[in-house]
Amino acid sequence: DTGVSQDPRHKITKRGQNVTFRCDPISEHNRLYWYRQTLGQGPEFLTYFQNEAQLEKSRLLSDRFSAERPKGSFSTLEIQRTEQGDSAMYLCASSQGQALRGDTQYFGPGTRLTVL
Amino acid sequence: AQTVTQSQPEMSVQEAETVTLSCTYDTSENNYYLFWYKQPPSRQMILVIRQEAYKQQNATENRFSVNFQKAAKSFSLKISDSQLGDTAMYFCAFMKPYPNDYKLSFGAGTTVTVRA
Repeated sequence: DTGVSQDPRHKITKRGQNVTFRCDPISEHNRLYWYRQTLGQGPEFLTYFQNEAQLEKSRLLSDRFSAERPKGSFSTLEIQRTEQGDSAMYLCASSQGQALRGDTQYFGPGTRLTVL
Repeated sequence: AQTVTQSQPEMSVQEAETVTLSCTYDTSENNYYLFWYKQPPSRQMILVIRQEAYKQQNATENRFSVNFQKAAKSFSLKISDSQLGDTAMYFCAFMKPYPNDYKLSFGAGTTVTVRA
């Protein structure tokens, strides 16, 4: 069990550029989640996948954000036309997907995005 | 939206002493899940302890224990015999029951500093 991994760990970009982040969940975990964390705050839910299906999206996820999980394995989060307000830590988590048990989410190290 | 409140932004404790972090939440659900996560400086978030609301017995994990008061909607974390490695930000989180058991709602966090 290698844990949840995210790439890159840090990304600096200029306003208006597109960025893409990748998350590799723990193998055999059916659920994958994306959260956003700003400095000094708790993470906020963005979206989640059950296998390859994106089942819920927060209103925080504007039209500039898109997430995919092809084949139910790794996931990507793309932000188009970045804005300075997008600067944050983007966290990925995964879980086994055991219904009725509130299964534990395991977090990756995050991708810190800085938009200049 | 669920509200999770951590009223202590910062706590300081001497090594080997005990510290208690407070957390309150707001919900109309009868069954749900509560978590404490630890986020060390520049490191990923890890689960400290979890509690199912239908269980009356307070959860314990080695030096970490909770005081779950369902009627008061309170979920405090006690760290006993504090160690330097406990220095981190601690987040309380709430999860609704199935079928909405996919989103963690986090508090703003409490920064714990363990002094040598």
